[in-house]
Amino acid sequence: NAGVMQNPRHLVRRRGQEARLRCSPMKGHSHVYWYRQLPEEGLKFMVYLQKENIIDESGMPKERFSAEFPKEGPSILRIQQVVRGDSAAYFCASSPASGGLAYEQYFGPGTRLTVT
Amino acid sequence: QKEVEQDPGPLSVPEGAIVSLNCTYSNSAFQYFMWYRQYSRKGPELLMYTYSSGNKEDGRFTAQVDKSSKYISLFIRDSQPSDSATYLCAMRASGNTGKLIFGQGTTLQVKP
Repeated sequence: NAGVMQNPRHLVRRRGQEARLRCSPMKGHSHVYWYRQLPEEGLKFMVYLQKENIIDESGMPKERFSAEFPKEGPSILRIQQVVRGDSAAYFCASSPASGGLAYEQYFGPGTRLTVT
Repeated sequence: QKEVEQDPGPLSVPEGAIVSLNCTYSNSAFQYFMWYRQYSRKGPELLMYTYSSGNKEDGRFTAQVDKSSKYISLFIRDSQPSDSATYLCAMRASGNTGKLIFGQGTTLQVKP
């Protein structure tokens, strides 16, 4: 009964490199959400995806950040040309549906990105 | 002003105490309210999920929502050292939105 899986758990990138974060939702879940947690701050919503669709990307920075959830395989959060301010914990959550009580979001262990 | 306000603490209590954690919010559109527990360097774990106003109890945990005051609470009875963690409130509006709005989190320490 695996939960939400994220990899890698820790990622170190130099400024200007690309970071790719992966998320496999819980079995039976078709909705994925990405959040970012900066030091001493709460979680901030980034993007909500269903298979092959971006539903809400209102929390995504306009540049350098993109996300996808293909028909097959994990969801990917991509950060191009990383800067030190991108250093944070990135969490993925999944849910079986978007309405009512079926909407509970379950979180993965996170990927801690460090930009040097 | 933040949409969700939560005192970051830290809150330190002796083992066995009743703990009260609170959040206030400003957006009257919020309909669903959650409490998550997060241990250091781990992912948030869903503790309680409530819809609209009222109380919900699960073991040692009780969640309360007062929409008229825009105020939610989590009570922990008979607190244990293993309850030491950061507690995050979260909420969202109705409809097809995936966006949870989180409080900053309250750090709780339960001393043996």
